[in-house]
Amino acid sequence: AQKITQTQPGMFVQEKEAVTLDCTYDTSDQSYGLFWYKQPSSGEMIFLIYQGSYDEQNATEGRYSLNFQKARKSANLVISASQLGDSAMYFCAMREYSGGGADGLTFGKGTHLIIQP
Amino acid sequence: KAGVTQTPRYLIKTRGQQVTLSCSPISGHRSVSWYQQTPGQGLQFLFEYFSETQRNKGNFPGRFSGRQFSNSRSEMNVSTLELGDSALYLCASSLDTQTYEQYFGPGTRLTVT
Repeated sequence: AQKITQTQPGMFVQEKEAVTLDCTYDTSDQSYGLFWYKQPSSGEMIFLIYQGSYDEQNATEGRYSLNFQKARKSANLVISASQLGDSAMYFCAMREYSGGGADGLTFGKGTHLIIQP
Repeated sequence: KAGVTQTPRYLIKTRGQQVTLSCSPISGHRSVSWYQQTPGQGLQFLFEYFSETQRNKGNFPGRFSGRQFSNSRSEMNVSTLELGDSALYLCASSLDTQTYEQYFGPGTRLTVT
């Protein structure tokens, strides 16, 4: 079974609109972290936001917020007031924490976001 | 503070050859992870090194190996290259194995012909 599911392969959004990128995850661990990364066409992975499984508040970083619904195993990324520079691939990822430390990141397939003027 | 650097940025190799990729983490970071990105399989975890020891490994054949030096720089090696090894190889560094945040380098794009 896929651990990270992103159901939107591609999205077109008008500039200045808010965007929600969907992500659901699957884990039996109690301790884990959820991440969103942005990958422009240049290829570099840019860290956007992090949510820990024990965090009760939704994470926010500037225009990015993570809508964390633990019971539904959902970690959607919300981008407010989208900009042309937001056009990129967006990946949701999870890190599970075992007794020996964190495991490697497990990524979803990504969502290709295109912001239109 | 300098970011994660990877060399070379682009590489073309022939089937059957071997290749070594290099990653220098952010200064002070001791954990280095490697990922492979292909259009078909997406982003997959290869392995993680901390204090010169491999502490985690993904589901890749033994042709993929790595090491870490005392200055935390890491190399990964792929022997007997196959066409399917063509990919973007990304390196990520973090302070230690408990720190959640990983900072990625620009990647090395490997093409196998």
